Amino acid sequence: DTEVTQTPKHLVMGMTNKKSLKCEQHMGHRAMYWYKQKAKKPPELMFVYSYEKLSINESVPSRFSPECPNSSLLNLHLHALQPEDSALYLCASSPRRSTGLSGETQYFGPGTRLLVL
Amino acid sequence: AQTVTQSQPEMSVQEAETVTLSCTYDTSESDYYLFWYKQPPSRQMILVIRQEAYKQQNATENRFSVNFQKAAKSFSLKISDSQLGDAAMYFCAYRRGNTGNQFYFGTGTSLTVIP
Repeated sequence: DTEVTQTPKHLVMGMTNKKSLKCEQHMGHRAMYWYKQKAKKPPELMFVYSYEKLSINESVPSRFSPECPNSSLLNLHLHALQPEDSALYLCASSPRRSTGLSGETQYFGPGTRLLVL
Repeated sequence: AQTVTQSQPEMSVQEAETVTLSCTYDTSESDYYLFWYKQPPSRQMILVIRQEAYKQQNATENRFSVNFQKAAKSFSLKISDSQLGDAAMYFCAYRRGNTGNQFYFGTGTSLTVIP
């Protein structure tokens, strides 16, 4: 099973709202990622968690706040977003070390399509 | 820093024909992994094929195969017997070996399949 789930699928929020995106994986992966993706563009890395600790933060504005409550769950808390933050937000996970043929591969969730009004 | 270059923003192929998508990368590492991901319109990004740098044999997955030229730092994807369902954005990606978590993506190639 190589499934990463994300909720909600779609989200519309105003610039003063607070919302959260949720990501889950039950593959025992120890690295989890948040990406932002605009249409027809590659994913842009936002955050990486390794063994539940934030290991990479790509200078993301503080209106985005990640949280990793446990090894299976990753949240992205949103507050006071701007219209330019509208995008597809992708979560992904990967094994921390090589585990056979699937080692080092990153598996993506279906994404949350966010619209900020 | 690692960079991944896809020089073909758009490609098209006739159904049942073969198409090759190009990817080059720059790295000073000897241990790394290369990937091709497919993202159909409004759908999930999925792994197409994966290559370990230490393996000389080119990876294949059914109709998908790669031409991995390590010295030239080239990693092209060949799609044989193209099908309408192959229409998608294709992203080439690089990841360092055991010490790296970060993936580096190319800018993508939009593939159209003509019936």
